[in-house]
Amino acid sequence: DTGVSQDPRHKITKRGQNVTFRCDPISEHNRLYWYRQTLGQGPEFLTYFQNEAQLEKSRLLSDRFSAERPKGSFSTLEIQRTEQGDSAMYLCASSLGGYDSEAFFGQGTRLTVV
Amino acid sequence: AQTVTQSQPEMSVQEAETVTLSCTYDTSESDYYLFWYKQPPSRQMILVIRQEAYKQQNATENRFSVNFQKAAKSFSLKISDSQLGDAAMYFCAYRSANAGGTSYGKLTFGQGTILTVHP
Repeated sequence: DTGVSQDPRHKITKRGQNVTFRCDPISEHNRLYWYRQTLGQGPEFLTYFQNEAQLEKSRLLSDRFSAERPKGSFSTLEIQRTEQGDSAMYLCASSLGGYDSEAFFGQGTRLTVV
Repeated sequence: AQTVTQSQPEMSVQEAETVTLSCTYDTSESDYYLFWYKQPPSRQMILVIRQEAYKQQNATENRFSVNFQKAAKSFSLKISDSQLGDAAMYFCAYRSANAGGTSYGKLTFGQGTILTVHP
């Protein structure tokens, strides 16, 4: 296993289009997180899954955003009707379920909305 | 809610010298973890060092060490014998250790400090 994998690495889309990103966590990790990172800023928490259950969603996650993790494996993050303000790096991280387990990050998907 | 503040947007250091990156945080919790993450350009974020709040001893990992001041809510990172490969964005992060909360494992990050290493 080579770590957390995200696809695509880069996405350019026109305003108003829908986009979907995929994250494949480390195989034995049951926790999965999505973060958004704008240029020059630290990552901000978006949502969190324990297995297939979405346990927390940030207020940053508007109704245009939806995330799924079917069968507790890979996860998808969809943004509908993209806006220029959605341009950012979207990071995925995974960890084991222990209270002190380390989070491992993927390389991210950079979204540019034009 | 917890907040993490990194007041140094950029720092620079000469190769082989020592540099300290600052971080302060605010929380009402007594049990938590603090982390320093490194994010090289176009590469994934990796964990540099972590500190459990209940431990008084400062964590060290080879050339990296922290100065954890719980009362002052301060958590600085010292990089000794700086190397060119240390150049990156460094993030300070907080994580609750509250086992009963649904925010378990969620990280709260600071704004980051860009570290430049000069040869």
